[in-house]
Amino acid sequence: AQKITQTQPGMFVQEKEAVTLDCTYDTSDPSYGLFWYKQPSSGEMIFLIYQGSYDQQNATEGRYSLNFQKARKSANLVISASQLGDSAMYFCAMREGRDSSYKLIFGSGTRLLVRP
Amino acid sequence: GAVVSQHPSWVICKSGTSVKIECRSLDFQATTMFWYRQFPKQSLMLMATSNEGSKATYEQGVEKDKFLINHASLTLSTLTVTSAHPEDSSFYICSAREVSGTLAGELFFGEGSRLTVL
Repeated sequence: AQKITQTQPGMFVQEKEAVTLDCTYDTSDPSYGLFWYKQPSSGEMIFLIYQGSYDQQNATEGRYSLNFQKARKSANLVISASQLGDSAMYFCAMREGRDSSYKLIFGSGTRLLVRP
Repeated sequence: GAVVSQHPSWVICKSGTSVKIECRSLDFQATTMFWYRQFPKQSLMLMATSNEGSKATYEQGVEKDKFLINHASLTLSTLTVTSAHPEDSSFYICSAREVSGTLAGELFFGEGSRLTVL
């Protein structure tokens, strides 16, 4: 079974508008972490934002915010005021438990294209 | 933030040869490094977890003898693709976990290494 599901293979957004990238997850572990990464065409993985399962508030980092709905097991990424440089692949990832392995499980990704 | 460097960033080799990819944490010590593989337009798939001074832990379906991982120091892990074949062509990305630091900021990714086997 998929642990991380990103249902949007591709998304378009107009420059300066906001966009939401969906991510749902599946885990029975009460302790977990959720991550969003951006991967431009050059290939490097750029960390955007993190949400811990016990965090009471939604995470925010500049133009990025994470809409964390624990009961629905969703962790959608919201990018406000989109910029042309936001065009990239976006991956949602999850780390389960508090063990020392720190493995990340990635979703299939969403390709975002920002239109001028 | 912390820097993780991979070398080479791209490599082309003949079928049957072995290729070594290095992953270095430049300004921090990494007790654990992870190796991922990414096929074109697909997600990252974890191959193995590399712990300094011990044997790597491979994910199910990953051939240990094919993908040799060595984590000889706190700043270097290497992935050797032995007897490479065209189906091994992929983008290989490492990530390193900082020994200390905030929970969210502990994991850093390298730039990736693109392997093409002819």
